[in-house]
Order: sequence, then structure tokens, then C-alpha cells
Amino acid sequence: DARVTQTPRHKVTEMGQEVTMRCQPILGHNTVFWYRQTMMQGLELLAYFRNRAPLDDSGMPKDRFSAEMPDATLATLKIQPSEPRDSAVYFCASGLKGKASGGSGTGELFFGEGSRLTVL
Amino acid sequence: ILNVEQSPQSLHVQEGDSTNFTCSFPSSNFYALHWYRWETAKSPEALFVMTLNGDEKKKGRISATLNTKEGYSYLYIKGSQPEDSATYLCAFISSGNTGKLIFGQGTTLQVKP
Repeated sequence: DARVTQTPRHKVTEMGQEVTMRCQPILGHNTVFWYRQTMMQGLELLAYFRNRAPLDDSGMPKDRFSAEMPDATLATLKIQPSEPRDSAVYFCASGLKGKASGGSGTGELFFGEGSRLTVL
Repeated sequence: ILNVEQSPQSLHVQEGDSTNFTCSFPSSNFYALHWYRWETAKSPEALFVMTLNGDEKKKGRISATLNTKEGYSYLYIKGSQPEDSATYLCAFISSGNTGKLIFGQGTTLQVKP
């Protein structure tokens, strides 16, 4: 049963520490999204990759956040240094570009179970 | 800035009631609209992907309609059951942003037995 895998599921860390979250997209999917769940904004888009290339990271605080896809089976989201306001659930989702009509949209997204981050 | 609005923010209904909620999005540069269901302590799961004006999709007791010219989609649940309790999210893709999904805030539905 294909699914998106995220690690760690839970992370508690102290302010100032580096945090790395990892995502394994579904094999064959060519789009990867990182979202953050916040009370105020629901699912906030942080970064978006297609075919491993970053297409949009405008929602991400650039000074401390970075997102990469070193290969097709791994996406990472790094926070350095972490701050208490970064505490949230971070979701990774993958999809297949071209599945929704016409071949140039994004089909349905499949979400991982999320990484719950607490920064003390 | 793309604005995706959902209403109401929350809804409480009795088992057996039928209900509906709205997703509003920019009517220009429409490409696709998704609906997701998000149960507490789980991950969002796709319900529908809608691309054409006038589209109607159905899955069991849940259905959705799409009006791209006026920029809205409705999600209907017929005969709500307690297991329908969840947050329902819509996500918009514009033709100008290469497939990026922008989510609304969601409508949280509570169905009382």
C-alpha cells in the first residue's frame, strides 16, 4: 500500500537547535509539497517541488528554513535555528503532475502523517 | 495573493441531517479545485478533483459541484453520520502557478448522534 512516509513523527527540541524533517514521497510521484498546520492559517504552504526542482518556497521564512530534494525518494525540511513559534505539525504531500485534466495540473495529493514539532 | 475562502468555519448538525458548505476562489485563471477530508489526528485525504465548469462529483453520500465562472464550489453531505465528522478542505490551483495548491481554512463538521 503506497504511502508518504514522514520522520520523525514527534520532535521536542530546545530553541536554537537544528531540526531536520524527512519525507519519502510515493514512488513515481513527481511533485512534493511541504505544508505547516497552524491555528490561524490552516495548511500553510512552505515549499513545492516538481521533478526535484524547487518551484515555490515563497511561504517559507528564508532566514531559518530550507527545503531540498537530494533525490527522488527524499525531501527534507530544515529549520536552523529553531524558535518556539516554529512549533506546529509539518505535513509532506506528494502527487503526480498531469493526472488532473489536460496534463499540466496536479492530481490529488497524498499526505504523510505529519511531524509534530515542539520547540521549547 | 490567491484567496480561498470556506464557509461556514464550523457546523454542528444532527445525525440524518443533510448539509452543505462553500468554497470560494478567484474566478480568473482557474485550473482545478480539490476537496479533502481531514479527520482529527489523521492526514487529509482527497475526496474530489474538479476541473470543468459545471462538474458534479459524487462519492457515496458526499457530492460536490463546481462553478468556475463565479468562483465557487459546494460540498454536500446527504444524511450526515457521526463518522462524517471531520474538517473539509478545498484547495485551488490557478492556471498561472504551475500546479501549486492553495488551501482554504476548512469547514469543521460535527455530527451528533
